[in-house]
Amino acid sequence: GDSVTQMEGPVTLSEEAFLTINCTYTATGYPSLFWYVQYPGEGLQLLLKATKADDKGSNKGFEATYRKETTSFHLEKGSVQVSDSAVYFCALSRVGFNKFYFGSGTKLNVKP
Amino acid sequence: DTAVSQTPKYLVTQMGNDKSIKCEQNLGHDTMYWYKQDSKKFLKIMFSYNNKELIINETVPNRFSPKSPDKAHLNLHINSLELGDSAVYFCASSQDYGTRDRYEQYFGPGTRLTVT
Repeated sequence: GDSVTQMEGPVTLSEEAFLTINCTYTATGYPSLFWYVQYPGEGLQLLLKATKADDKGSNKGFEATYRKETTSFHLEKGSVQVSDSAVYFCALSRVGFNKFYFGSGTKLNVKP
Repeated sequence: DTAVSQTPKYLVTQMGNDKSIKCEQNLGHDTMYWYKQDSKKFLKIMFSYNNKELIINETVPNRFSPKSPDKAHLNLHINSLELGDSAVYFCASSQDYGTRDRYEQYFGPGTRLTVT
């Protein structure tokens, strides 16, 4: 069945460090891929998405590229800020299946 | 003008009680969902409604009963609450689940349920 695997956290970085959070997926067909972010005490917000292979999603300095050959959708940011501290979720969904598969979430702590 | 709203934000109750959580979306979306997030942040889908019709009903105890009076509202009623029901419950909505660019989900702020 479809599934998403994310690297376990927490990930602790200093401000301005480079961020990578790994995400790999298993799915039949051609899923769309998403990154959601959850700030403390809040609901999930869509951060970025990619709907087909080789697409790059980007938002707020974050990027992720849909790599079908490696079934991956790693999240990257060149220079993190304290305000990026949150839990990040990778997710996939397939058209018509009305179901999102979320990874287990990766907590990011950014220290000043 | 909150897109997806839930009430209450916090709910503390005793075992055995019955409680409801309400969700409303003003995005004009057709599909709404309930998720449960446990203490380790793992998200599990519980139910999904499309145009007031139940389309996903995961393995959830039948003490949980969703109700959708119209496509902008999806409420969750829980009977005979148990300690293990303590979690954060999220409502979400999406415009369409059949079209590639229109089914990203928008989440409410969550309801933290504590059963004592």
